[in-house]
Amino acid sequence: DSGVTQTPKHLITATGQRVTLRCSPRSGDLSVYWYQQSLDQGLQFLIQYYNGEERAKGNILERFSAQQFPDLHSELNLSSLELGDSALYFCASSVIRQGAYNEQFFGPGTRLTVL
Amino acid sequence: GIQVEQSPPDLILQEGANSTLRCNFSDSVNNLQWFHQNPWGQLINLFYIPSGTKQNGRLSATTVATERYSLLYISSSQTTDSGVYFCAVATGNQFYFGTGTSLTVIP
Repeated sequence: DSGVTQTPKHLITATGQRVTLRCSPRSGDLSVYWYQQSLDQGLQFLIQYYNGEERAKGNILERFSAQQFPDLHSELNLSSLELGDSALYFCASSVIRQGAYNEQFFGPGTRLTVL
Repeated sequence: GIQVEQSPPDLILQEGANSTLRCNFSDSVNNLQWFHQNPWGQLINLFYIPSGTKQNGRLSATTVATERYSLLYISSSQTTDSGVYFCAVATGNQFYFGTGTSLTVIP
């Protein structure tokens, strides 16, 4: 168990809908990352938050957004869902010290199926 | 962005055999990690190794940052080692995963 929790584990929804995925980082970790794993694109970095502020953006679609709350949990919002958004969504957390890139620990993931 | 290439893409081993997985990356990195994704999809940390050598039981890893590659060694493989092994690197605030090596260990 990495200490990173994600809910829900599974989500089935229809095209055009909106969903919210939730992540709680390990105790003490200030940084949260979101990744998407799909069969055709592999594991892709979406976005990073550090202590409530957006720090880096990867291949995140405009239909997707995220935020990190004062208690450090994070939510990834996916809207106007398409069939191609079906994927495993991971959250990871780490501590960043003095600009060093510390070890990331991954949650169990949320499997999203868009029908 | 950085290109991360892993080889071989697929590997089938008899239980007890040893193997070496390779990760090449195209630019300087701040962070390099190896992960094992088990058949249930969980990503398990193996090593945080931006440079140098580390060992953990039957697994060890070496990163030669100046030559932009990392190696993961699995000795005396077991069926529970099956899954996909990923190398991930970071530069600046961007993170990149390789396409993985799919390992199957047969009894």
